[in-house]
Amino acid sequence: NAGVMQNPRHLVRRRGQEARLRCSPMKGHSHVYWYRQLPEEGLKFMVYLQKENIIDESGMPKERFSAEFPKEGPSILRIQQVVRGDSAAYFCASSPMAGGNTEAFFGQGTRLTVV
Amino acid sequence: AQTVTQSQPEMSVQEAETVTLSCTYDTSESDYYLFWYKQPPSRQMILVIRQEAYKQQNATENRFSVNFQKAAKSFSLKISDSQLGDAAMYFCAYWFQGGSEKLVFGKGTKLTVNP
Repeated sequence: NAGVMQNPRHLVRRRGQEARLRCSPMKGHSHVYWYRQLPEEGLKFMVYLQKENIIDESGMPKERFSAEFPKEGPSILRIQQVVRGDSAAYFCASSPMAGGNTEAFFGQGTRLTVV
Repeated sequence: AQTVTQSQPEMSVQEAETVTLSCTYDTSESDYYLFWYKQPPSRQMILVIRQEAYKQQNATENRFSVNFQKAAKSFSLKISDSQLGDAAMYFCAYWFQGGSEKLVFGKGTKLTVNP
């Protein structure tokens, strides 16, 4: 059973371009979470999705950021018109059900660099 | 709002000795979950140990154990017989369930293990 797969591992974008980050959850996991980690900081929650539904996007900037988790295929975090401040590591986690009594497994992250 | 505070940005320990990492949190909930995650240079987030707030007994996982003081809202991690492979960033996290499901992380403690 492969772990949570994120790609790409590293992504370089020029200011104003779009960044698309992909996350394939573990097999059988229908809950996906995205977190952002700035340098020297802990992970900050961005969005929580279940298949085809956004449950909580309270941590995601209102503009330029969007996320989806379609019925088929990976979850996508999209950042439009990237700016230097978007440079960070973006982590995806998945779990088979909701609740703190189940472990959320993390991917290795995508490091986005905006130049 | 739930917050997690790690007051030690950096700690060091000699190989084979014991080190304790501190964590405090703030919540009005009575039932919740607390976690310690390890992040080595590879960036992979690895679950070290989990504590359920309704359980009085402190969780242990091999060389890792916690001191959970619910009234004081304190959740420290003790690493015994430290090994070189324990060197990493350690993040304390609280599982937030109010209307959503997400982890709230502290800023982390960088642990160095000296040979």
